Amino acid sequence: NAGVTQTPKFRILKIGQSMTLQCTQDMNHNYMYWYRQDPGMGLKLIYYSVGAGITDKGEVPNGYNVSRSTTEDFPLRLELAAPSQTSVYFCASSQGGGQGTDTQYFGPGTRLTVL
Amino acid sequence: QQQVKQSPQSLIVQKGGISIINCAYENTAFDYFPWYQQFPGKGPALLIAIRPDVSEKKEGRFTISFNKSAKQFSLHIMDSQPGDSATYFCAATAIQGYQKVTFGIGTKLQVIP
Repeated sequence: NAGVTQTPKFRILKIGQSMTLQCTQDMNHNYMYWYRQDPGMGLKLIYYSVGAGITDKGEVPNGYNVSRSTTEDFPLRLELAAPSQTSVYFCASSQGGGQGTDTQYFGPGTRLTVL
Repeated sequence: QQQVKQSPQSLIVQKGGISIINCAYENTAFDYFPWYQQFPGKGPALLIAIRPDVSEKKEGRFTISFNKSAKQFSLHIMDSQPGDSATYFCAATAIQGYQKVTFGIGTKLQVIP
C-alpha cells in the first residue's frame, strides 16, 4: 500500500492563479481531510469528507474548495491564490465509521508558495 | 480560540535526558488524546494516544500522563535520543462525531549528543 499520496510536492504560484492539489489514498478509508500547517500555528483543518459525495468545512475553508467523487481521491482547489495561502498542505485519511479512536494517516505534504 | 494549548514551542534536550511536552484543553467533550510525531519533510504520524479513563499510558520510551480534573496531559520521552528530534503535536478529539481533530501548535524537539 502506498498509503496517502499527494502531488505536487512543491509549487510556486503567482497571485491570482489557480491550482488543484491532488490527494489519493489506497486504504479504502471513508474519511479524508485537508490541513494546512504554518509555523507556530500547528495544523488547521481546511475541509473534510466522510465519504464520496459528502464534504464539509473545517476551521479555515475560505479560499479553498474540495470535491469527493470517489473514495480514493480528495482534491483541494485553490482559486485566486493569495500570499496568505503560502503554507504546507497535508492530506490525511482515516477509516471512520464513528470510531473517534482511529488513526489519521497523513500524506507527505505539498509546499506551496504564492508570490 | 486555541482549544488545545501546547508548550513549549521548542525544546532542546541532551541525549539520555527526559523530554517533557505539556498540553491543556478546554473542551470537556474531548475524550481521546493522540500525539503525533513529524520528521522534517514528512507528514505527521501517530505516536501514542490515551483515553481519559486512564492516568498514564506507556509505550517503550514514550509515556502520556493524563490529569482529567486539570484538563492537562503531557508527553514524556525517556532516555531521549537524537533520532527523537522531530516536531510533536498533541491533539484532542471527541470519539463521537466526525472525528475532527484539534491540534496543538507543535513542539520542535532537538536532542543533542
